[in-house]
Amino acid sequence: DAKTTQPNSMESNEEEPVHLPCNHSTISGTDYIHWYRQLPSQGPEYVIHGLTSNVNNRMASLAIAEDRKSSTLILHRATLRDAAVYYCILRDSFYNQGGKLIFGQGTELSVKP
Amino acid sequence: NAGVTQTPKFQVLKTGQSMTLQCAQDMNHEYMSWYRQDPGMGLRLIHYSVGAGITDQGEVPNGYNVSRSTTEDFPLRLLSAAPSQTSVYFCASSYGGGGEKLFFGSGTQLSVL
Repeated sequence: DAKTTQPNSMESNEEEPVHLPCNHSTISGTDYIHWYRQLPSQGPEYVIHGLTSNVNNRMASLAIAEDRKSSTLILHRATLRDAAVYYCILRDSFYNQGGKLIFGQGTELSVKP
Repeated sequence: NAGVTQTPKFQVLKTGQSMTLQCAQDMNHEYMSWYRQDPGMGLRLIHYSVGAGITDQGEVPNGYNVSRSTTEDFPLRLLSAAPSQTSVYFCASSYGGGGEKLFFGSGTQLSVL
């Protein structure tokens, strides 16, 4: 199973952009890159995902390296509500493998006022 | 929509007792999975299912059983609870694999004394 590597923690100031990196050097051609975040005492929630091209949604942007071995989640203006643990995971397109998701430790983002 | 519903929210067991954690989704999702999260750790996959009648093991399956008789429900059974199974349990579902996003329940806090 392809694994991801993220920094344990990062700090940001409120209203500044945040770039959360993720390395996935063993990614396969059928893996999608997903990002989820977990607020304290809650279940994880979906943030964004992509395959090859950069993606934008109302929550964040996802920048994917050309060789797909790394990606970066971009929060354009961090707010205090963005303080959470952010997980980068790979999700296979193949039928059975798509159900087998391996979460790493994630990056704990703290946001200072 | 209710989304992914987990019951109970809290449970205390004595060592050796058995119980079933319930997970139900009303989104007609084929994929469902169970994770456990120990304090300060990421999520670890216990069991997953890619459709009714189909289940498979994840990273930490020992001590847990699952079955998937309907699309909507995916119960997790602890056969003989042990203190090492004290954790927060999350259920998740998705329409498919690959680029389909996961929806998580709010979790069950289980303590085994």
